[in-house]
Amino acid sequence: QKEVEQNSGPLSVPEGAIASLNCTYSDRGSQSFFWYRQYSGKSPELIMSIYSNGDKEDGRFTAQLNKASQYVSLLIRDSQPSDSATYLCAVNNFGSGTYKYIFGTGTRLKVLA
Amino acid sequence: GAGVSQSPRYKVAKRGQDVALRCDPISGHVSLFWYQQALGQGPEFLTYFQNEAQLDKSGLPSDRFFAERPEGSVSTLKIQRTQQEDSAVYLCASSGQPGGLEKLFFGSGTQLSVL
Repeated sequence: QKEVEQNSGPLSVPEGAIASLNCTYSDRGSQSFFWYRQYSGKSPELIMSIYSNGDKEDGRFTAQLNKASQYVSLLIRDSQPSDSATYLCAVNNFGSGTYKYIFGTGTRLKVLA
Repeated sequence: GAGVSQSPRYKVAKRGQDVALRCDPISGHVSLFWYQQALGQGPEFLTYFQNEAQLDKSGLPSDRFFAERPEGSVSTLKIQRTQQEDSAVYLCASSGQPGGLEKLFFGSGTQLSVL
């Protein structure tokens, strides 16, 4: 079992729709959770971070965390063609003696105009 | 500097050659990470520095890979006797504080091709 799992996609949604991206993780002690966006040929950039159970909203983006189910998701409302990219889920557990942010393989999102 | 700077942007090496990849993090950033990203995959952790101390090197795939950050700023990732499976983008990232709560700032990466 991979430490962080994501559906590789592509996930195709029409412009204006809600895109829902999901991620599960295996280390129950994980403390911090991140969503990064990576355009083709570019480096990852942070979209959202979340540290406690529940929802966190920032503009068109909402991150949801459920530690009991070891599940984190990202919702993108009013999806735009410029949102087309790969979305990487990242998890870390710095308190356990390791120092790595562990990334999933990413979900490729295509927003159709 | 304004962002994380990596050089070279592209590197072509013949199998068996040694390569050195440089990362200049954002000034004052304590934490520095190296990741390897193969095509179509997520970044895979290689190693972590807190200032000049290499606190985690559990992701280095073999003893051909070596990283250093002697003065707590610039870091170099060295790969000896390169193999074709080393072909990937090598990403450097830094963050302001240790502790795992901070966002990572990534450089543009070095794309390594081993022929």
